[in-house]
Amino acid sequence: GESVGLHLPTLSVQEGDNSIINCAYSNSASDYFIWYKQESGKGPQFIIDIRSNMDKRQGQRVTVLLNKTVKHLSLQIAATQPGDSAVYFCAEMRNSGYALNFGKGTSLLVTP
Amino acid sequence: GAVVSQHPSWVICKSGTSVKIECRSLDFQATTMFWYRQFPKQSLMLMATSNEGSKATYEQGVEKDKFLINHASLTLSTLTVTSAHPEDSSFYICSARTSGSQFFGPGTRLTVL
Repeated sequence: GESVGLHLPTLSVQEGDNSIINCAYSNSASDYFIWYKQESGKGPQFIIDIRSNMDKRQGQRVTVLLNKTVKHLSLQIAATQPGDSAVYFCAEMRNSGYALNFGKGTSLLVTP
Repeated sequence: GAVVSQHPSWVICKSGTSVKIECRSLDFQATTMFWYRQFPKQSLMLMATSNEGSKATYEQGVEKDKFLINHASLTLSTLTVTSAHPEDSSFYICSARTSGSQFFGPGTRLTVL
């Protein structure tokens, strides 16, 4: 079946550096994507979303880029902080029913 | 903001017993709730979609007779794991949908001995 996947399972960055987490998707009909942050033992926390009619969206310290040509999206975190350490998931919303297909996740570790 | 709670936050049970997990939307009404399962160091996998007042829709490979879902009101959905076995040990997470947004609960850690 079609799925959403990630290029990098783990990412270690120094505090203050920028982080980039990548995600590839296979369903060309997907039109809504979301990035979630999950801390250990907790539920996913919404970070930022983007619709397929956009190629970039910015939030506070975060930016999501969408490249529909190669079916790729990324999450950029500026000035990464220790509190950013978590697992990050991309998710695509199914075309019907509103359920989410999650990618495999990237563990981000921020070192001092 | 929209808050979703789950109860209990963790549960340990003996093999063969049944466990009920509650998912509540505290400050909004959710026409649709979703149940996900997450094994250690893995992603969230959708188990079923629950609509208020109707039968849940289960994903392929999820046994509906083992994972009973009841969505009796717009603010409460329950997942009952019947005759639990050690392989059912997992992190169960619900989400609730309203006005195009989806909000996740904090999860329930189930350990079956």
